[in-house]
Amino acid sequence: AQRVTQPEKLLSVFKGAPVELKCNYSYSGSPELFWYVQYSRQRLQLLLRHISRESIKGFTADLNKGETSFHLKKPFAQEEDSAMYYCALIGASNTGKLIFGQGTTLQVKP
Amino acid sequence: KAGVTQTPRYLIKTRGQQVTLSCSPISGHRSVSWYQQTPGQGLQFLFEYFSETQRNKGNFPGRFSGRQFSNSRSEMNVSTLELGDSALYLCASSSGLNPRDTQYFGPGTRLTVL
Repeated sequence: AQRVTQPEKLLSVFKGAPVELKCNYSYSGSPELFWYVQYSRQRLQLLLRHISRESIKGFTADLNKGETSFHLKKPFAQEEDSAMYYCALIGASNTGKLIFGQGTTLQVKP
Repeated sequence: KAGVTQTPRYLIKTRGQQVTLSCSPISGHRSVSWYQQTPGQGLQFLFEYFSETQRNKGNFPGRFSGRQFSNSRSEMNVSTLELGDSALYLCASSSGLNPRDTQYFGPGTRLTVL
């Protein structure tokens, strides 16, 4: 079965602290992994995808195929990072079908 | 480029009625995917259209249907509405040329079924 699991519903950290949002997946094949973010009252938007290997707004994510994980990390959290974060995957044969995790709310306290 | 637009933004219907939601993709994008977002089930894939053809379908009953026009605009229809259909319906567009293209989301249509 194809599944994305984000074990934390809420992650609360202080400004300047490191952040790691966990994402584990189940997929028999080579999926493409994404992180989407939804800021308050804004639409869902792409943060990064593993194939691009970019760092966006200081966030990075490494695909670990052995552990089937794609955790999102940032060394120093900022208050403007407070948002809902969704991990998602898409399979090779499942055109247009993103499978989302349940999402993690990141709360960065001043 | 203008982003993905969805109309209407809010809808209130009663059980048994039907509803049509509209999505205009980013110019040049030929694929439109639809998702249902609820607090309990999260984001779930409904279907995807590319060049007026349904290419993929999620696990929703036949009451949920869609179509795509030659200008890539898409509509989804829900017939015989049930209370459980209350949700935020999101559409997303991509070029569609690669199945793994990044999808760009619209603001959603909030459907409330009374």
